[in-house]
Amino acid sequence: EIVLTQSPATLSLSPGERATLSCRASQSVSSYLAWYQQKPGQAPRLLIYDASNRATGIPARFSGSGSGTDFTLTISSLEPEDIAVYYCQQRSNWPITFGQGTRLEIK
Amino acid sequence: EVQLVESGGGLVQPGGSLRLSCAASGFTFSSYAMSWVRLAPGKGLEWVSAISGTGGSTYYADSVKGRFTISRDNSKNTLYLQMNSLRAEDTAVYYCAKLLLFISMDVWGKGTTVTVSS
Repeated sequence: EIVLTQSPATLSLSPGERATLSCRASQSVSSYLAWYQQKPGQAPRLLIYDASNRATGIPARFSGSGSGTDFTLTISSLEPEDIAVYYCQQRSNWPITFGQGTRLEIK
Repeated sequence: EVQLVESGGGLVQPGGSLRLSCAASGFTFSSYAMSWVRLAPGKGLEWVSAISGTGGSTYYADSVKGRFTISRDNSKNTLYLQMNSLRAEDTAVYYCAKLLLFISMDVWGKGTTVTVSS
């Protein structure tokens, strides 16, 4: 099973700041990595697929990069509505696995 | 509009069974693999199971293998999850999701809550 480790566990930033979230895989997942946003009481929402492609309707301030074992989700300028837990997910191998999540707080 | 609507959740005793359903609309259901993902209280997302578009291939997390069965009825545009031998640790919100190229999940339902407790 591929283990995804996200860091930091919690990130507290002010509106307008840049957020950098990390996801590291225990072995290469090529570019088969996705990022999701989940707000309290809501279903997850796909932000990024194939490591760097924005999903339909996702604002341009969200971007993804990386390949192999190291990946980054960047939010270029934080908005108050970006408060959520962010998860990475791989499907290079079965089983599908998720990282443990990064909680993003707005100061 | 592409939509997934789960149903069938509820309160069940340990050792009991439950069948979840997910009604799909707005896309060609049979062309896409589908998945179940759960969110337990205080925990992160956990993938549960997936099934190919034809239903010919199924995949399970080790935590549910042998207890849960995923299936689909493409004539009814509906995905199912039969859950047997339920445990307290199966308590969670269960989401169905459409798989994009069998890799990422681009459409999600709102979820249905399963509580396993005596």
